[in-house]
Amino acid sequence: QITLKESGPTLVKPTQTLTLTCTFSGFSLSTSGVGVGWIRQPPGKALEWLALIYWDDDKRYSPSLKSRLTITKDTSKNQVVLTMTNMDPVDTATYYCAHKLLYQGWFDPWGQGTLVTVSS
Amino acid sequence: EIVMTQSPATLSVSPGERATLSCRASQSVSSNLAWYQQKPGQAPRLLIYGASTRATGIPARFSGSGSGTEFTLTISSLQSEDFAVYYCQQYNNWWTFGQGTKVEIK
Repeated sequence: QITLKESGPTLVKPTQTLTLTCTFSGFSLSTSGVGVGWIRQPPGKALEWLALIYWDDDKRYSPSLKSRLTITKDTSKNQVVLTMTNMDPVDTATYYCAHKLLYQGWFDPWGQGTLVTVSS
Repeated sequence: EIVMTQSPATLSVSPGERATLSCRASQSVSSNLAWYQQKPGQAPRLLIYGASTRATGIPARFSGSGSGTEFTLTISSLQSEDFAVYYCQQYNNWWTFGQGTKVEIK
């Protein structure tokens, strides 16, 4: 059974850097074809894909946020870390991580999500 | 960026009735489309991929159709647990989501 869980601060100040960790089980990021993505959802709004990392360290970023995002993996810890710089109140959202396979374009399953509020 | 547009924004349906949700892509995504269900306070759950293939464990009352730019999710007979928000997502060119359709009890 695949499970994922996001962790990180619930509150960050404007201009700060957000660091979120996705800890997963039931699969390995050293297995060919496996990936983990990050998706966010502002309160009451739609989903937005942010970043993706594959087993071979191939990384993809949303073009609109690329300059602010970094995604890394720690295979030994079964973790994926997302950092987002220069946080703004519009970045307030629930941040999800999700499992993805290279030749499958959908995300399944997803973690429970973590709400991050950006406020001074 | 491929923009996904869902309609209607809200659909009011009585239990047992059929619900038809639409999703339109700003350019062709072939059959590279998925549908998700999201209930309040929960993460999205995959329902359909490849435009029409049900994910594991998804009841047969959920069906997807379409290709190119026009897609439909049909729930044949709404159950109480089906009242939720539904999102489409294209994966033909990067990954983008529609703004969602809320299915509410009439």
